[in-house]
Amino acid sequence: AAGVIQSPRHLIKEKRETATLKCYPIPRHDTVYWYQQGPGQDPQFLISFYEKMQSDKGSIPDRFSAQQFSDYHSELNMSSLELGDSALYFCASSPQGSSYEQYFGPGTRLTVT
Amino acid sequence: AQSVTQPDIHITVSEGASLELRCNYSYGATPYLFWYVQSPGQGLQLLLKYFSGDTLVQGIKGFEAEFKRSQSSFNLRKPSVHWSDAAEYFCAVGARGNKLVFGAGTILRVKS
Repeated sequence: AAGVIQSPRHLIKEKRETATLKCYPIPRHDTVYWYQQGPGQDPQFLISFYEKMQSDKGSIPDRFSAQQFSDYHSELNMSSLELGDSALYFCASSPQGSSYEQYFGPGTRLTVT
Repeated sequence: AQSVTQPDIHITVSEGASLELRCNYSYGATPYLFWYVQSPGQGLQLLLKYFSGDTLVQGIKGFEAEFKRSQSSFNLRKPSVHWSDAAEYFCAVGARGNKLVFGAGTILRVKS
């Protein structure tokens, strides 16, 4: 079965640089969620999109932005990177009518040096 | 606000022994509850979910969980643990806005 695809899987950036993370949801899933998992931490919700509109926002820094495109893929843009942004970033998608049933991608490990 | 508590940070069990991972939630209405498993450096895999109905939920890999409203609990169980079950387990509750709120996780170690 098709799963959530995230790219890149690993990313190394320097402080103050920018990064773009991509997420391709499972086919026919219309909702995308972004979570951030710091070292030894539980995943924290960042932002979500439903039908290309932002549906909810969590503890996402102003330096971060995200959008969902017409093909339902989503991108998380991160600017002015800080050391504390080093984390595993997960994207999850959910099917129509079952938003709590979220399927997670493998994550993008971002390291900021 | 919704919250999840997993009181055990680490649990060690012998291979073949039974397992129970504890999860308590705080939520005003009937909760949507989930258990996810995460192997080191990997993504989160959904083990099972509870939305409504039968309070004993069967999941993948031989796991089950029981929803107990009176105790605000959703404990995960497995009758016989395999070495491949060693991982970190997260309990989560569906919160307002459809996001998931996770517990801090329980790291399971399996000794042979």
